[in-house]
Amino acid sequence: EVQLVESGGGLVKPGGSLRLSCAASGFTFSNAWMSWVRQAPGKGLEWVGRIKSKTDGGTTDYAAPVKGRFTISRDDSKNTLYLQMNSLKTEDTAVYYCTTSSGAYLGAFDIWGQGTMVTVSS
Amino acid sequence: QSALTQPASVSGSPGQSITISCTGTSSDVGSYNLVSWYQQHPGKAPKLMIYEVSKRPSGVSNRFSGSKSGNTASLTISGLQAEDEADYYCCSYAEEVFGTGTKVTVL
Repeated sequence: EVQLVESGGGLVKPGGSLRLSCAASGFTFSNAWMSWVRQAPGKGLEWVGRIKSKTDGGTTDYAAPVKGRFTISRDDSKNTLYLQMNSLKTEDTAVYYCTTSSGAYLGAFDIWGQGTMVTVSS
Repeated sequence: QSALTQPASVSGSPGQSITISCTGTSSDVGSYNLVSWYQQHPGKAPKLMIYEVSKRPSGVSNRFSGSKSGNTASLTISGLQAEDEADYYCCSYAEEVFGTGTKVTVL
């Protein structure tokens, strides 16, 4: 079964750090471009960032609001994606989803995790 | 990159058809056919409904259809059903930007 399972969410104070993980199974993780998407309470979906496969260079790109504070990495030996979040702000409070394209549907995110909640509050 | 613009809400009666618009620019929606649509029920992860502007993934009802004209993409739901009540988001994959979201209400 194709699956993404996020973990690591929780309550953190402003200025703090948190690392999210996303465990993948059922597809060839090493070939996948992986993305993080977040959703603040009652708000819409917001793309956070993406890491390409190592075959395609392994490079990362980030949305402007998180650039310089968030870092995406991957461990293909563990089929796991990470999101290191530093200097957290209250506006980073959101459900964080990892997502990818299986390759079956061009240019679309057809595999999603269940999400993990991050709350930034004093 | 600014979010694509969608109407905040659209409603319709069971059996009717509704259309949700998604307006971008010549740099995103207008340039690429990598527009997709997602359905999200409360507390759930998004689900892919349309990819490459108008193609349906396996298992998605043929009541869902997509199109594009210039910088605006559209999602049409025909034969509206109670289970279609959800939030819908468009996405320009090439520019990695989502729409503002539309709440669909079945009256």
